[in-house]
Amino acid sequence: DTAVSQTPKYLVTQMGNDKSIKCEQNLGHDTMYWYKQDSKKFLKIMFSYNNKELIINETVPNRFSPKSPDKAHLNLHINSLELGDSAVYFCASSTRQGSNTEAFFGQGTRLTVV
Amino acid sequence: DQQVKQNSPSLSVQEGRISILNCDYTNSMFDYFLWYKKYPAEGPTFLISISSIKDKNEDGRFTVFLNKSAKHLSLHIVPSQPGDSAVYFCAAGYHAGNNRKLIWGLGTSLAVNP
Repeated sequence: DTAVSQTPKYLVTQMGNDKSIKCEQNLGHDTMYWYKQDSKKFLKIMFSYNNKELIINETVPNRFSPKSPDKAHLNLHINSLELGDSAVYFCASSTRQGSNTEAFFGQGTRLTVV
Repeated sequence: DQQVKQNSPSLSVQEGRISILNCDYTNSMFDYFLWYKKYPAEGPTFLISISSIKDKNEDGRFTVFLNKSAKHLSLHIVPSQPGDSAVYFCAAGYHAGNNRKLIWGLGTSLAVNP
């Protein structure tokens, strides 16, 4: 059973489109994250949700809107996609915000904006 | 400004020998550190962590050493195995208000040759 699963794995879309990436975790974790790994391999946190509540929003453009319908899901919706949004997006979860425990990552979604 | 630096983008080691991956940091507020391993087309997976109150943590073939005065940590893998070939990310965490933040290095690609 996959612990953290995100779909789709690959996403190719045109500039200006709106797209969503879905993430689900079956670990019973309270905290979920979205990370972006850009072409320079920087892995940066975008958002953190704890029990469906937004905890961290790291200077991400308003075009990015996370939505957490319940503790097990954290979806990422992106409006008006730009070329610079091309990256690999990772979803992750951990037991609780503020703890030192490790996060479990999904396999990533490679987004290519053309 | 990179707060967590992995200065070696790649490392090649013979099977059975020791692999040493290095990580330097600049922020003295970091109070715990983690190493993640990443295979191609997969998300990072947690490997080992260390709190700033310790200088060594060992888990099987993996040992992390922390030198706080030098703001330096290293991951030792002994003996190295071909299956260890992956990208290794160093991450450092600190409290930001009620939240805990992780800053990631760019990764070091390890190749273990049979």
